[in-house]
Amino acid sequence: LAKTTQPISMDSYEGQEVNITCSHNNIATNDYITWYQQFPSQGPRFIIQGYKTKVTNEVASLFIPADRKSSTLSLPRVSLSDTAVYYCLVGDGDDMRFGAGTRLTVKP
Amino acid sequence: EADIYQTPRYLVIGTGKKITLECSQTMGHDKMYWYQQDPGMELHLIHYSYGVNSTEKGDLSSESTVSRIRTEHFPLTLESARPSHTSQYLCATSWTGSRGYGYTFGSGTRLTVV
Repeated sequence: LAKTTQPISMDSYEGQEVNITCSHNNIATNDYITWYQQFPSQGPRFIIQGYKTKVTNEVASLFIPADRKSSTLSLPRVSLSDTAVYYCLVGDGDDMRFGAGTRLTVKP
Repeated sequence: EADIYQTPRYLVIGTGKKITLECSQTMGHDKMYWYQQDPGMELHLIHYSYGVNSTEKGDLSSESTVSRIRTEHFPLTLESARPSHTSQYLCATSWTGSRGYGYTFGSGTRLTVV
């Protein structure tokens, strides 16, 4: 099970691009990198998943360097409603554990 | 579009009562999980199941018990509730496939024991 390290908290302003980096030095060959978003009083919600290089969907982009020892979640032009906790998970589907996550606060 | 349902959404009960938190899913997923989360704190895995008749304890010691008699149903029971059980309880399923894997969470049950 690859251990992940991500910042405890980040602040941003509306309209800015936010990049949250996750370190996972002992990622295994079969591991995927997945990011979840959690609002207060709700369960985490799947945002994006990738294995290598870059993945983009309607919500975010995920950048993964060639060595896969880190990944960066990029949220373009954040709004107040993007204030949430963001979790980075690395595993092959049997990880189950979410860690502390990064608390993103978007300010007006 | 929720495919995993938790009831009740909120529950306030007295100390010593027996309660069951319901979790049902319509996706046919084998793996299911229960997490406990206090406000602003981490998610803690308390129980999981790999399928019918399979139940395992998670990382956080919990006085709750679970059962998995049917694939779609994974209830959590507290035989005698205490104020220390006050928390949010989140149920989830997981899927795996050729494109990766993921977790789907229910909306949670916020339990208050008075």
